[in-house]
Amino acid sequence: DIVMTQSPDSLAVSLGERASITCKSSQSVLYSSDNKNSLAWYQQKPGQPPKLLIYWASTRDSGVPDRFSGSGSGTDFTLTISSLQAEDVAVYFCQQYYSGPFTFGQGTKLEIK
Amino acid sequence: QVQLQQSGPGLAEPSQTLSLTCAISGDNVSSNSATWNWIRQSPSRGLEWLGRTYYRSKWYNDYAVSVKGRISINPDTSKNQFSLQLNSVTPEDTAVYFCVRRGGDRTFDIWGQGTMVTVSS
Repeated sequence: DIVMTQSPDSLAVSLGERASITCKSSQSVLYSSDNKNSLAWYQQKPGQPPKLLIYWASTRDSGVPDRFSGSGSGTDFTLTISSLQAEDVAVYFCQQYYSGPFTFGQGTKLEIK
Repeated sequence: QVQLQQSGPGLAEPSQTLSLTCAISGDNVSSNSATWNWIRQSPSRGLEWLGRTYYRSKWYNDYAVSVKGRISINPDTSKNQFSLQLNSVTPEDTAVYFCVRRGGDRTFDIWGQGTMVTVSS
């Protein structure tokens, strides 16, 4: 199984400041045939299911604000929120869909400083 | 817009069977581009993909090794839904269970509302 490891486990950032979360996979999730990374990011608020933010490592899902961006390739990825808003308080997960079983990171709890 | 509506009991007895259903609106369980998944979430195990069913000229299933032998995911084309059965449950199976669509080029894009299932006598 591909193990996904996020850091940090929790993060406190001031409103309007940048927040960055990293995710490392135990093996590459890059498809060499089309140069796409099978890596997604989700946001989960209390009592709600996860919400897809980004797929193919850097493609924002429909309706996701452009302050959210994803980057990275191979085994190392980053989710960046360029200017933190109050509504961004949540737990964030990365997930690989390169090969089954499809695995998730342990989550990063993002709070306001 | 696509929606998934889960139903089923929130309590299961040890050694018995956990059964949940996911009704689909706005898409079709027989879609040739989607897969229909069950994922659970618990404090001890985090988010754990359990398995999927999908149609590509015929029906396929894949299951996580952690639950293989105890799990069955089945489509119901007449009701446009799919179901989860997990046998011989133990307290370790206590979790929030989600039904989830993987839509075409994207990954897990549509989630059900979640069902908290507690395994207890």
